Amino acid sequence: KAGVTQTPRYLIKTRGQQVTLSCSPISGHRSVSWYQQTPGQGLQFLFEYFSETQRNKGNFPGRFSGRQFSNSRSEMNVSTLELGDSALYLCASSSVQGGHEQYFGPGTRLTVT
Amino acid sequence: GQQVMQIPQYQHVQEGEDFTTYCNSSTTLSNIQWYKQRPGGHPVFLIQLVKSGEVKKQKRLTFQFGEAKKNSSLHITATQTTDVGTYFCAGRRGSGGSNYKLTFGKGTLLTVNP
Repeated sequence: KAGVTQTPRYLIKTRGQQVTLSCSPISGHRSVSWYQQTPGQGLQFLFEYFSETQRNKGNFPGRFSGRQFSNSRSEMNVSTLELGDSALYLCASSSVQGGHEQYFGPGTRLTVT
Repeated sequence: GQQVMQIPQYQHVQEGEDFTTYCNSSTTLSNIQWYKQRPGGHPVFLIQLVKSGEVKKQKRLTFQFGEAKKNSSLHITATQTTDVGTYFCAGRRGSGGSNYKLTFGKGTLLTVNP
């Protein structure tokens, strides 16, 4: 099976802009979770989608949002970008909802200037 | 909220030496997972432990889940240069609503001198 794919791989934006990241899970996986990884804070959970519904949410401001489509593909949106949003954004898929083994994609490296 | 502490933060070893990383949760976990992230890569799932006192082995890697289901360890015997990377534990709480999310430790960066 093909692994988790994420697009784009790299992105440079300026403060105040918004960005949309895309994730295609492993075929047959219906759970998609998003994580932010930074050197200082490590891997932090953003949210999880399962069957097009957000099932869990981490402690991030409302500027971070997401959605999932009927084919399980997911998008994450960050509005009004801040310098602190610079990070590696990782998408992970799972066959089961709710914090079971995660299969990560390569990530999108977002730089905010 | 739930916290997962992982020590040490860094570990440098000579090739052939053993390595252990420890993970401690502030709350009882329903499962704990371990991941490895190579430099420049993404986390890769290694294993999931579910039962109290569970021990699992994968070649030179030994994973343990504590009796109280609040701590875990990963031990690598006779490290090799291919073991280089950051090892993360991730804990899942018991049941219900927001408890289902995974909380990751900060990771242990392992470097191996050949």
